[in-house]
Amino acid sequence: SALTQPASVSGSPGQSITISCTGTSSDVGGYNHVSWYQHHPGKAPNLIIHDVSDRPSGVSNRFSGSKSGNTASLTISGLQAEDEANYYCGSYGSYSTWVFGGGTKLAVL
Amino acid sequence: QVQLQESGPGLVKSSQTLSLTCTVSGASFSSVGNYWTWIRQHPERGLEWIGYIYYSGNTYYNPSLQNRVIISIDTSKNQFSLKLDSVTAADTAVYYCARRIPGTHYFDYWGQGTLITVSS
Repeated sequence: SALTQPASVSGSPGQSITISCTGTSSDVGGYNHVSWYQHHPGKAPNLIIHDVSDRPSGVSNRFSGSKSGNTASLTISGLQAEDEANYYCGSYGSYSTWVFGGGTKLAVL
Repeated sequence: QVQLQESGPGLVKSSQTLSLTCTVSGASFSSVGNYWTWIRQHPERGLEWIGYIYYSGNTYYNPSLQNRVIISIDTSKNQFSLKLDSVTAADTAVYYCARRIPGTHYFDYWGQGTLITVSS
């Protein structure tokens, strides 16, 4: 995948976890247009963060995003069982295209 | 509430053309706005942006696929479609349709996806 994410992360209920998303200066590092999607298998992916750190209306403030250089991060605080899902990052990039990460499977232990 | 639903054959033979349709409800095709997008997810891999069509019919494709892909729109049916020529096993994936609002750089509504398997 164009963007690199860890294959899996895990945490206990109530804890915080962070998922990284590493790209290049042509995508993550070059634009403040990183988005994050939560995906429960079999359902439609759900936008949870856009433009690095903005939350759409209705998304819990337990989800937050940030970026430093070519790496963006998604932090989920106060982990809940319902947060167990796959998480994908995406970024606007060169030549007006979009690139995505390989996805991170979050396990809530 | 915008809803998108993909439909397709499920199985396509190698070298043939893959055809998918996305039916949209809760959003108008005939008014200004909305880039209707196709994205796919290969097995055990991440997402790949395929391309989009604007309500006016303007299209833009992933350079890696542009020689084989056509996206079209039927505003009378609130549908847009994907055609991918000369498919191979590498085109086996879950195909999603999604919406992007002009001026934004993210996809705010997605369909549930449909699995397309390319067989030999």
